[in-house]
Amino acid sequence: EVQLVESGGGLVQPGGSLRLSCAASGFTFSAYNMNWVRQAPGKGLEWLSYISTSSTTIYYADSVKGRFTISRDNAKNSLYLQMNSLRDEDTAVYFCAKVCSGSHCVDYWGQGTLVTVSS
Amino acid sequence: SYVLTQPPSVSVAPGETARITCGGNNIVNKAVHWYQQKPGQAPVLVIYYDSDRPSGIPERFSGSNSGNTATLTINRVEAGDEADYYCQVWDSSSDHGVFGGGTQLTVL
Repeated sequence: EVQLVESGGGLVQPGGSLRLSCAASGFTFSAYNMNWVRQAPGKGLEWLSYISTSSTTIYYADSVKGRFTISRDNAKNSLYLQMNSLRDEDTAVYFCAKVCSGSHCVDYWGQGTLVTVSS
Repeated sequence: SYVLTQPPSVSVAPGETARITCGGNNIVNKAVHWYQQKPGQAPVLVIYYDSDRPSGIPERFSGSNSGNTATLTINRVEAGDEADYYCQVWDSSSDHGVFGGGTQLTVL
């Protein structure tokens, strides 16, 4: 059974940093591209970042480019999102998402971790 | 940047057919994926590549894509289908993922 478990969320002040982690199991993590997606309270889904299997290809949404860094450790079956210079508008549930094979859909999602940016 | 437009809400009676649209410039040239999200839960993929259904998704769910509009169709709607539905594409010109704003499906 595919499982994606996010951790690392919490309350942080504006301008602060957080590192989110996603532990993957139930599939060959190193063989799949991964995404981070977020959802602000009461709002829709927002794609944030994509990383290829070997980390050679990485993309970011304009809203987080230069502030967030996606990475992965295939030996540890883990995906990460380093978030710096956090803003109030970064408050959201952050989802780790497994990309479909051969496409850019998402076939599995974690349950999400809440990040609250507030003073 | 590429924009996907969905109606904020759609209402349908049980047993009827719900159609949720997703508008985008020449969206026919893109692979459209659809997700169902119930309150407090993670999204679930219900249609990928315009019209394919993942295993475990009822045949009542179908998708189509033509011109500037993709459509998710839910036949014989049930109370359990009440949820938010999102369309999604990959914009290869910007290398960005794009989600529609979401449609809240209400079963009357």
